[in-house]
Amino acid sequence: NAGVTQTPKFQVLKTGQSMTLQCAQDMNHNSMYWYRQDPGMGLRLIYYSASEGTTDKGEVPNGYNVSRLNKREFSLRLESAAPSQTSVYFCASSGGRKDSPLHFGNGTRLTVT
Amino acid sequence: DAKTTQPTSMDCAEGRAANLPCNHSTISGNEYVYWYRQIHSQGPQYIIHGLKNNETNEMASLIITEDRKSSTLILPHATLRDTAVYYCIVSVSSGSARQLTFGSGTQLTVLP
Repeated sequence: NAGVTQTPKFQVLKTGQSMTLQCAQDMNHNSMYWYRQDPGMGLRLIYYSASEGTTDKGEVPNGYNVSRLNKREFSLRLESAAPSQTSVYFCASSGGRKDSPLHFGNGTRLTVT
Repeated sequence: DAKTTQPTSMDCAEGRAANLPCNHSTISGNEYVYWYRQIHSQGPQYIIHGLKNNETNEMASLIITEDRKSSTLILPHATLRDTAVYYCIVSVSSGSARQLTFGSGTQLTVLP
């Protein structure tokens, strides 16, 4: 099993450009999440999807949109990238038990110039 | 979610046990304690979690005090590859989604 797969691994954007970060999981998990991590800091939740067809805002949703395409895939879109969105983005998923842990991908490193 | 307090950094000799403490004095009855670690530039890796009882798996042991206000993660025989930032998180599920709040964690350095 691949677990949680994120693409691309690296991306450089100019201010104002748009892009979509892709995430897919093969563990049949119901819930999926997008976090960002800035240098020297912990992870902050951007958006999450408790189940297919639902999405909710996390701690830092401004400037982002998400789509839960199906049970496997959860994408994060930056419509107009800003330098403040330079970060490492992690996707995660979790199963149906109330105490199921999160499983993370290896991240997308985004630089906005 | 309850807030957690961890030391900023710790060192441990290779082959010795690493004991990482975490305070979570405001934890509520239905909140679990989770431990993750993050090795440089990689995604966080789940280690172990528990509610009340002590837990053990192939990676580590989790000791939770009887009042649940603190816990300790134990890596029984630390290796150089255990050097990482370790996060202690307490969380309750929201429906079926698990919203974890990551703090700054403890930087564990295993010394040869």
